[in-house]
Amino acid sequence: QITLKESGPTLVKPTQTLTLTCSFSGFSLSTSGLAVGWIRQPPGKAPEWLALIYWNDDKPYSPSLKSRLTVTKDTSKNEVVLRLTNMDPVDTATYYCAHYQTANHKGFDFWGPGTKVTVSS
Amino acid sequence: QSVLTQPPSASGTPGQRVIISCSGSRSNLGNRYVYWYQQLPGMAPKLLIYANDQRPSGVPDRLSGSKSGTSAYLAINGLRSEDEADYYCTSWDDSLSTWVFGGGTKLIVL
Repeated sequence: QITLKESGPTLVKPTQTLTLTCSFSGFSLSTSGLAVGWIRQPPGKAPEWLALIYWNDDKPYSPSLKSRLTVTKDTSKNEVVLRLTNMDPVDTATYYCAHYQTANHKGFDFWGPGTKVTVSS
Repeated sequence: QSVLTQPPSASGTPGQRVIISCSGSRSNLGNRYVYWYQQLPGMAPKLLIYANDQRPSGVPDRLSGSKSGTSAYLAINGLRSEDEADYYCTSWDDSLSTWVFGGGTKLIVL
């Protein structure tokens, strides 16, 4: 059974760096074809893709956020960490991590419950 | 303004068939698969359709997906009250090098 869960601060100040951890179980990020993605959703708006990190450490980022984003993985801990620098109130959103598999083109097939992040001074 | 265009709302009565559309371009729906998600209030999106028309296990067969050119469709047969939710389409965009989402369609069961 695949499960994911996001954790991190609920409130960050403008200009600070957001660090979120995705803890998962039911799969290993050392398995070929697998990845973990990050997607965020501002209140009342559509989801926005942020990044992916693949089993081979390939890391495509959203071009609009690439300069501010870093994603890393710790395969031994079954964790993926997202860092977003220079936070702004427009970054207020629910942040999700999701299991992604290339096999059969299943895409983002399992999601964490999300963690709500507010950017405010 | 979303790269994929969905109607903001759709509605139907119990038992009816409802179709939600998603319009894109050659760089996304024209060349790539479409995925459909259902989002209940306060919940994470749930995958309904992958690779245009495939249902994950557990998704009832009264839901179906299709794609034609640069447009995709999610059909829900035998509408039920529990289908009331927001629905999103998504696809990879080769020109933008990013996953793009539709603006979402709020389905109301009358």
